Amino acid sequence: QSALTQPASVSGSPGQSITISCTGTSSDVGYSNYVSWYLHHPGKAPKLMIYDVSNRPSGVSNRFSGSKSGNTASLTISGLQAEDEADFYCSSYRINSIPVFGGGTKLTVL
Amino acid sequence: EVQLVESGGGLVQPGGSLRLSCAASGFNFRNYAMSWVRQAPGKGLECVSVISGGDGGTDYADSVKGRFTISRDNSRKTLFLQMNSLRAEDTAVYYCARSSGFAVTTYFDSWGLGSLVTVSS
Repeated sequence: QSALTQPASVSGSPGQSITISCTGTSSDVGYSNYVSWYLHHPGKAPKLMIYDVSNRPSGVSNRFSGSKSGNTASLTISGLQAEDEADFYCSSYRINSIPVFGGGTKLTVL
Repeated sequence: EVQLVESGGGLVQPGGSLRLSCAASGFNFRNYAMSWVRQAPGKGLECVSVISGGDGGTDYADSVKGRFTISRDNSRKTLFLQMNSLRAEDTAVYYCARSSGFAVTTYFDSWGLGSLVTVSS
């Protein structure tokens, strides 16, 4: 069982928006703004998409956005494209521990 | 350009040992904390160990504490993971990842392609 809870799968049609949730506790997601999101295509290196809840690294499309409320963080992808199909993972700093990850969400673009 | 290249994976019997290496280039290696993150077959990502920049401190997931040792050679820009007393549940792709800062890891901004470790008799 993963430390953070994500839905196993989400889907959407091209052009639509989807949101992936990431639920933790007051010791991790709820403790600080150190939540990050990663895109992972099997066989490739994971890619940082969002850091510090809502910041995008240089080169990441502004179709990706992040937010947080209490112990739950969210990743929203707007204007879905076929290339967005991948696995997405959230991660959070945790008090007195190493960073923790969610179980991952498989995004299918219909 | 930041590059991280893992090596040293392979097939090992339960109870055996293996040492992974990660060669870094394109950045000032000693100034960054580094981490090992693994993905078991059909499972999600799990951070197993982190090491601070410089001659920094180390930390481990409970699942590997006492069996795995992370270390770094800043002169060679290389990160290591010594894995002892390996178990079947350690079977995974192991990724080397650069952490966000010198001491505290708040996110992982660069990743390698991974090295497969299979523990089986």
